[in-house]
Amino acid sequence: EVQLVEFGGDLVQPGGSLRLSCAASGLTFRNYEMNWVRQTPGKGLEWVSFISSGGTTIHYADSVKGRFTISRDNAKNSLYLQMNTLRAEDTAVYYCASGYSSSWIDYWGLGTLVTVSS
Amino acid sequence: SYELTQPPSVSVSPGQTASITCSGDRLWNKYVSWYQQRPGQSPVLVIYQDSKRPSGIPERFSGSNSGNTATLTISGTQALDEADYYCQAWDSRMVFGGGTKLAVL
Repeated sequence: EVQLVEFGGDLVQPGGSLRLSCAASGLTFRNYEMNWVRQTPGKGLEWVSFISSGGTTIHYADSVKGRFTISRDNAKNSLYLQMNTLRAEDTAVYYCASGYSSSWIDYWGLGTLVTVSS
Repeated sequence: SYELTQPPSVSVSPGQTASITCSGDRLWNKYVSWYQQRPGQSPVLVIYQDSKRPSGIPERFSGSNSGNTATLTISGTQALDEADYYCQAWDSRMVFGGGTKLAVL
């Protein structure tokens, strides 16, 4: 059974930083493209960032470009999201999500809540 | 930036067919996926590459993509199909539609 478990969500002040982690199991992690997708409570899904299976290709949504950094460690079956200069509008549940293709997402984690507030 | 448009809500009677549309410029040229999200749960992939069903997804879920519109069709809709549905495509980045709340009344 594929499991994606996110860690690191917390309450942080505007301008602060946070690092999210995602531990993957039940799949050959190094073969999967990975994404972070967020969802503001009661609202829709917003794609945040993509990293290819080997880590060589990275994309960001315009809303987070220059502030967020995605990375992965295939030896540890782990995905990360470093979030800097956080804003109130970054408040959301952040999902770790995997896809065998870059075109869709096969598996989603349970999500971790990030709240940016003073 | 690329945008996908979905109706905010769709209603269907139990046992009937529900159709949820997703519109985007030249959408026929992109692979469309659909996700189901029940309240309080993570999304689940129900259709990928326009019309393929992952293992474990009931046959009553089907998809199509033509012109500027992709459609998710749920035949013989059941109460447990009541959820939010999101379409998604890739256009140099992943794009989601705004979501459609399916009510089974």
